[in-house]
Amino acid sequence: AQSVAQPEDQVNVAEGNPLTVKCTYSVSGNPYLFWYVQYPNRGLQFLLKYITGDNLVKGSYGFEAEFNKSQTSFHLKKPSALVSDSALYFCAVRGGQTGANNLFFGTGTRLTVIP
Amino acid sequence: DAEITQSPRHKITETGRQVTLACHQTWNHNNMFWYRQDLGHGLRLIHYSYGVQDTNKGEVSDGYSVSRSNTEDLPLTLESAASSQTSVYFCASSGTRLSGELFFGEGSRLTVL
Repeated sequence: AQSVAQPEDQVNVAEGNPLTVKCTYSVSGNPYLFWYVQYPNRGLQFLLKYITGDNLVKGSYGFEAEFNKSQTSFHLKKPSALVSDSALYFCAVRGGQTGANNLFFGTGTRLTVIP
Repeated sequence: DAEITQSPRHKITETGRQVTLACHQTWNHNNMFWYRQDLGHGLRLIHYSYGVQDTNKGEVSDGYSVSRSNTEDLPLTLESAASSQTSVYFCASSGTRLSGELFFGEGSRLTVL
């Protein structure tokens, strides 16, 4: 069965510092991995995805994520945090088997960037 | 621009009443999904559809139903609302590629008193 874990409910980082939001996954077959961001009272917005190829994936708003197969991780990173990055971040996985189009989401990590 | 819209955005109802949340997308996507978001649980899948006349149960489908009579719409019905169904509900859609991302609506906040 597919699942993702986000071990940190809350991450605080100072503006200008690098940030990391952690995600580990469990899936049968090849994983399709996604990061989404949610601002207050809004729907989820797609940030980036890993399907295959280069382990470092670049996405929207300067975010990137590193796929690590041996550690089954897909951590979200940004070199320099902005106050406007403060939001709720979700990791998600889709199993590689045929027909499995739905995503399984983690419980979310609230990122707060401190000015 | 293509979009996905949910209505109503906010609703308060009473225990035992039937409630329908609407979802309409203009992406012409075959795949549509309903999730609920609750603190500590993230997003959990309620029902999903891969095309017209196709519906499938997700991990928390009890007390909910959906129907897919056309490509654009997937209404979610709570047959007899319960307080445990107080939540924020999100509709999403995606294309047929497994690599395709989901596009989400703005959410419907439902309170069951």
